[in-house]
Amino acid sequence: DVKVTQSSRYLVKRTGEKVFLECVQDMDHENMFWYRQDPGLGLRLIYFSYDVKMKEKGDIPEGYSVSREKKERFSLILESASTNQTSMYLCASSLLGGRSYEQYFGPGTRLTVT
Amino acid sequence: GQNIDQPTEMTATEGAIVQINCTYQTSGFNGLFWYQQHAGEAPTFLSYNVLDGLEEKGRFSSFLSRSKGYSYLLLKELQMKDSASYLCAVRYYGQNFVFGPGTRLSVLP
Repeated sequence: DVKVTQSSRYLVKRTGEKVFLECVQDMDHENMFWYRQDPGLGLRLIYFSYDVKMKEKGDIPEGYSVSREKKERFSLILESASTNQTSMYLCASSLLGGRSYEQYFGPGTRLTVT
Repeated sequence: GQNIDQPTEMTATEGAIVQINCTYQTSGFNGLFWYQQHAGEAPTFLSYNVLDGLEEKGRFSSFLSRSKGYSYLLLKELQMKDSASYLCAVRYYGQNFVFGPGTRLSVLP
């Protein structure tokens, strides 16, 4: 059974704090993604990675960075949290290949920045 | 960027049929996905279309017309548990997935 796990379901942080969101997948997938989901806006891609130590910016990378030191783990870092980063953060993974493989999502982390 | 449009909300009755539409920009199209997302949960994969036509999977079917930039998800014999948001996502060549805003479906008894 495929599984993507995220380190926290709920997180409350103060403005200016450094925040780490962790994602682990056990499916040996090459691709990993970080999205944020806001009402009325859908899922927006922050960063993705198609291999260890590789990263690519998505549509809204400002204020975020990522780290992928191992194939199964993809971390999202908020260098200095701000209130406009209050959101639901979803991690996903998929196979790499010519076919458009579906993404498998983690349960999400609801981050509140006060 | 590529915009994907879906209705924001829909309501239907248990046992009925509902069609959720999705329109997208056609340039660079490389596949369309539908996901289901219950409140507070992760999206889960429902269907994938890359060629024109209808893909049927039990009570759920998905249709694609590439020339029109149009897809729909058809849900038959609605059940209360089908109350959820339905996300349309398009993959474009050289890019990752672009998600629509989602359609929140409420199934009433």
